[in-house]
Amino acid sequence: AQTVTQSQPEMSVQEAETVTLSCTYDTSESDYYLFWYKQPPSRQMILVIRQEAYKQQNATENRFSVNFQKAAKSFSLKISDSQLGDAAMYFCAYRSANFDMRFGAGTRLTVKP
Amino acid sequence: DAGVIQSPRHEVTEMGQEVTLRCKPISGHDYLFWYRQTMMRGLELLIYFNNNVPIDDSGMPEDRFSAKMPNASFSTLKIQPSEPRDSAVYFCASSPIRGQPGELFFGEGSRLTVL
Repeated sequence: AQTVTQSQPEMSVQEAETVTLSCTYDTSESDYYLFWYKQPPSRQMILVIRQEAYKQQNATENRFSVNFQKAAKSFSLKISDSQLGDAAMYFCAYRSANFDMRFGAGTRLTVKP
Repeated sequence: DAGVIQSPRHEVTEMGQEVTLRCKPISGHDYLFWYRQTMMRGLELLIYFNNNVPIDDSGMPEDRFSAKMPNASFSTLKIQPSEPRDSAVYFCASSPIRGQPGELFFGEGSRLTVL
């Protein structure tokens, strides 16, 4: 099975600053999808951004963008102009062609006012 | 549209009791997933279904766990007998094949505490 690695258990950022969360994955597939989910204290899983592996252009959603390096199997999330509401656990996820989805261990993001 | 609905939100039970968690996926979604979340092991995929058929149950921890999907609008995850190490948040998620590139829509989770 594919593995997803988030090497940063915790990160902190000053409000209005930029932070990057790292994610790497291991796969032999060429067709797959990558996701970042946010889990605030309410424990609801919220989709932040998605990336199709066949697309070279990095996905962007408002203040959230990714740096997708397919050859390096890297998928980092950049949060610009961080806000207090961005504080949460962030999970990187890999969805394979057979449709199962695996998650990394998560990175807890703290936003300092 | 209503999202994925899970029940109960919280369950406290004693060791040895049977626990049944329920899930109603989003209408029209073809895939349904059960995950377990703990501090130690993170989000683990337990089992997933396609069109009510179990596709991969290799994540089910042991025979005490079973999952069913009798129809497209209902699934259960059963633990019998329950043990304290089963304490976790159990998430159900569903996904369509078309329209969204593989995004999973999650329920709010069922927090299980086994004493």
